[in-house]
Amino acid sequence: QLQLQESGPGLVKPSETLSLTCSVSGGSIRDSPYFWGWVRQSPGKGLEWIASIFHTGTTYQNPSLKSRITISVDPSKNQFSLKLRSVTAADTAVYYCARPPPLSGDLGAFEMWGQGTIVTVSS
Amino acid sequence: QSALTQPPSASGSPGQSVTISCTGTSSDIGGFNYVSWYQQHPGKAPKLIIYEVSKRPSGVPDRFSGSKSDNTASLTVSGLQAEDEADYYCSSYAVYNLIFGGGTKLTVL
Repeated sequence: QLQLQESGPGLVKPSETLSLTCSVSGGSIRDSPYFWGWVRQSPGKGLEWIASIFHTGTTYQNPSLKSRITISVDPSKNQFSLKLRSVTAADTAVYYCARPPPLSGDLGAFEMWGQGTIVTVSS
Repeated sequence: QSALTQPPSASGSPGQSVTISCTGTSSDIGGFNYVSWYQQHPGKAPKLIIYEVSKRPSGVPDRFSGSKSDNTASLTVSGLQAEDEADYYCSSYAVYNLIFGGGTKLTVL
């Protein structure tokens, strides 16, 4: 059974860099033909797609966040990661890592989700 | 790219059917067959219930169905059950972008 688990600091200071990692178990990123993604949800708000990455390193990034995002993958560790620079209070959210359903589009949907990790931006 | 438009709330009695709309543009919903719907209960991760307009992932009851006409997608929940009370979000591919709706709170009366 595939499982995704987010990890990273729960508190980040304004103007600093938010760094998160998604660890995948029960399946290999290297052997999986998926674009693995990050989605966030601000408190009491809706969902926002951040970025997605293939095991080869090919990425898609939300145009509104692209200038502040770095997404990377480490197939040897079965992990992929997100860095968001110059954070503000508006970046406070639950951050999820996720994977699309089989045989679907690269940016069509996310079927498997991590439990989410809360990140608060505050001094 | 603007968020997709959903009604903030919807409701129905047990056993009834409810339809939630999701309106976009020709650059997203109208241009591609990559519309998805998610169900989210409080404190939980979203659950995919419809993808590629009308496909259901394994394990999702056929009470949930999706459709699309022009720039508007719809989710229909038939035979409403108490556990269907949740927030529902639509999403659509939009040329190297994935956008979500603002969410609809479904109340089972």
